[in-house]
Amino acid sequence: GENVEQHPSTLSVQEGDSAVIKCTYSDSASNYFPWYKQELGKRPQLIIDIRSNVGEKKDQRIAVTLNKTAKHFSLHITETQPEDSAVYFCAASILNNAGNMLTFGGGTRLMVKP
Amino acid sequence: DVKVTQSSRYLVKRTGEKVFLECVQDMDHENMFWYRQDPGLGLRLIYFSYDVKMKEKGDIPEGYSVSREKKERFSLILESASTNQTSMYLCASSLGVWANYGYTFGSGTRLTVV
Repeated sequence: GENVEQHPSTLSVQEGDSAVIKCTYSDSASNYFPWYKQELGKRPQLIIDIRSNVGEKKDQRIAVTLNKTAKHFSLHITETQPEDSAVYFCAASILNNAGNMLTFGGGTRLMVKP
Repeated sequence: DVKVTQSSRYLVKRTGEKVFLECVQDMDHENMFWYRQDPGLGLRLIYFSYDVKMKEKGDIPEGYSVSREKKERFSLILESASTNQTSMYLCASSLGVWANYGYTFGSGTRLTVV
């Protein structure tokens, strides 16, 4: 089955700096890669996603890049703010006869210091 | 907005009790999932269902069962609760049939087994 590894497990940055979280996946059939943000005590929420026919996607201060050849994808947050502090999860999805199955990375705890 | 509602935010149960965690979604999603979230272990899939009365084991099904009698409702059952099942339980749903979409998560149930 699919295996998703996420690095780093914790990341501390100064407010205004950029943050990068990287994920690798094992199954070349995966073709959908969402990112979730989970604030303390709250549910994970989808913040951005990318499909395998696209190499990069941006939404204001966040962007995701995908390298299908190398089987890795990354989340980039620019001009970080204290409210970006959260746990971020990457995921990779394969379609099978049961629908889409997300395999999650282990999570990255991002701390943005004011 | 899709809503995924988990019936209890916090639950305290005794060892050996039968425990029901309920999850309801309101957007006619095909797929529903139960995850367990523990510190340092990320999101681990317990069971999922891609249709009424259908269920599939995830990565850690031991000690759990599920029920999906109606499309909108997916129940997680702990047949005989044990202290090592103390955890945060997250339900999720996705449109997911024959297409890749992100999941929508519920707010979680923090279960403590004493």
